Amino acid sequence: DIQMTQSPASLSASLEEIVTITCQASQDIGNWLAWYQQKPGKSPQLLIYGATSLADGVPSRFSGSRSGTQYSLKISRLQVEDIGIYYCLQAYSAPLTFGSGTKLEIK
Amino acid sequence: EVQLVESGGGLVQPGSSLKLSCVASGFTFSSYNMHWIRQAPKKGLEWIALIYYDSSNKYYADSVKGRFTISRDNSKNTLYLEMNSLRSEDTAMYYCAKETHYYVMDAWGQGASVTVSS
Repeated sequence: DIQMTQSPASLSASLEEIVTITCQASQDIGNWLAWYQQKPGKSPQLLIYGATSLADGVPSRFSGSRSGTQYSLKISRLQVEDIGIYYCLQAYSAPLTFGSGTKLEIK
Repeated sequence: EVQLVESGGGLVQPGSSLKLSCVASGFTFSSYNMHWIRQAPKKGLEWIALIYYDSSNKYYADSVKGRFTISRDNSKNTLYLEMNSLRSEDTAMYYCAKETHYYVMDAWGQGASVTVSS
């Protein structure tokens, strides 16, 4: 099975700051990587698919990138509504696997 | 608007069975692969099962293989998860999700809570 190592586990940042979360895949998964945001008490929402494509309705301050088997989610200017837990998902092959999550808080 | 509504959760004893349902609306259910994902209390997301749009293929996480069965009834726009031999570690919120393409889920239900405890 493909393992996804996500870091950091938690992150505290100031408003308007740039935030970066990363996931490392245990093998080549190409661009088959998605990012999800889960706000407290809510279901996860798709942010990014295909490693770099923005899902419908997602603010442009969110972006995704890839370098080899390392994937990054960047929030360019952190807003209050961005607090929550972020997960990566490898969509290359079943069984699909999520990263362990990054809890994002406002400093 | 896409809607996914799970039901069938509850409190059950270890070793028992439970069947979750997920009723879909707002899209052509029979054209999309569907997934079940669960989240144990205060834990992360765990993908557990996938069924193709025509039921031709099904995949499971190792943690539930042989105990859980995913199925669908396209005439009823409904996805199912039959869970047998339930264990305490199966306690979680269970979400159904619609796949947009290439195994990526773009819409999730609100979840059904399953608690396995004596």
